[in-house]
Amino acid sequence: AQSVSQHNHHVILSEAASLELGCNYSYGGTVNLFWYVQYPGQHLQLLLKYFSGDPLVKGIKGFEAEFIKSKFSFNLRKPSVQWSDTAEYFCAVNVHYGGSQGNLIFGKGTKLSVKP
Amino acid sequence: DTGVSQDPRHKITKRGQNVTFRCDPISEHNRLYWYRQTLGQGPEFLTYFQNEAQLEKSRLLSDRFSAERPKGSFSTLEIQRTEQGDSAMYLCASRPGQATNEQFFGPGTRLTVL
Repeated sequence: AQSVSQHNHHVILSEAASLELGCNYSYGGTVNLFWYVQYPGQHLQLLLKYFSGDPLVKGIKGFEAEFIKSKFSFNLRKPSVQWSDTAEYFCAVNVHYGGSQGNLIFGKGTKLSVKP
Repeated sequence: DTGVSQDPRHKITKRGQNVTFRCDPISEHNRLYWYRQTLGQGPEFLTYFQNEAQLEKSRLLSDRFSAERPKGSFSTLEIQRTEQGDSAMYLCASRPGQATNEQFFGPGTRLTVL
């Protein structure tokens, strides 16, 4: 079965530190990739997505992610985090196979705490 | 607010009772998804509608669960004879028909079964 792994359960950083959150998926076919963020008390919202083309995608709030097909990875990065980035981050995959209707497979999430 | 809305936001019930949740998707979105999220986990897919047709159901959706989208607009998720293991956040998401669009999530309904 397809799965998504997020390597870090909880990451604690100081403001201005660089961020990289790991995401790996297990599926050899065509995939669409997403990072969603959930700020405290708010609902899931999209940070960025990859469907095709340039494997380096840029999202909102200075986030970016790189799709490396050979490594089945889609890591999220931000060069300098802010206190307002404190949130839970979810990597998700939409696999393409017969019968699939586009439902997302999520990782367990990484909680990011940024110290001011 | 023109986003996805869910009602109620919180539901506390006793084991064995039936509960029903409602989701109102973004108006022009013909695809609607239900997910369940438990503590420490990411959302897990339950079921999917395209217009009024329920096209996919996860193995997580036991026979105590039923979902409808009668007119292709709002959807309901009913859980019969609730169990403590049903306690979770139930999320609804919608998206338009084009494949490249992301899913837009609602705030969720948090169910607690005592």
